[in-house]
Amino acid sequence: EVQLVQSGGGLVEPGRSLRLSCTTSGFTFGDYAMSWLRQAPGKGLECIGIIRGRAYGETTENAASVKGSFTISRDDSKSTVYLEMNSLKTEDTAVYYCTRVGGGSYYPLYFDYWGQGTPVTVSS
Amino acid sequence: SYVLTQPPSVSVAPGQAASIACGGNNIATKNVHWYRQRPGRAPMLVVYDDNARPSGIPERFSGSNSGNTATLTISRVEAGDEADYYCQVWDISSNHVVFGGGTKLTVL
Repeated sequence: EVQLVQSGGGLVEPGRSLRLSCTTSGFTFGDYAMSWLRQAPGKGLECIGIIRGRAYGETTENAASVKGSFTISRDDSKSTVYLEMNSLKTEDTAVYYCTRVGGGSYYPLYFDYWGQGTPVTVSS
Repeated sequence: SYVLTQPPSVSVAPGQAASIACGGNNIATKNVHWYRQRPGRAPMLVVYDDNARPSGIPERFSGSNSGNTATLTISRVEAGDEADYYCQVWDISSNHVVFGGGTKLTVL
């Protein structure tokens, strides 16, 4: 059974940093790209970045809204993907989801498994 | 950038079929994926590549894609189908993941 279990998150002041983790099981982690998405309160879904699997050199891409502030990384030995969030702003307040990219694709075509979600609140 | 348009809400009686539309320019040229999000829960993929179902998703869920509209159809709607539904595509021209704004399905 594929499982994605998230940890981290919580309340943080503007300008501070936070790291989210997503530990997976039930599949060969290194074969898949992983993405982080977020959902602001009462809003829709936004894909904020992707990290590809070893076949594609574990390259990353971030959305323009978080480029330069957020970093995605992975540790295949721990089957875990991370989201490092720096210089947080109030508009980064959202529930953050880690997801597996479907089909082992290079591009984030779709997201076939989701973590439970982690709320992040940026407020003074 | 590419835009997907969904109706904000759809209502249906139990046992009837519900259709949720997702409009986009020449959307038939793209693969459309659908997610269900129950209140307070993470989204779940229910249809991918226009009309394929992940394992564990009932046959009641089906998708179609033609012209400028993709459609998610849920036959024999149950109370447990009440949720927000989102369509999504990968727009290769802009290198962006695009989601529709979501449709709230209410089971009367």
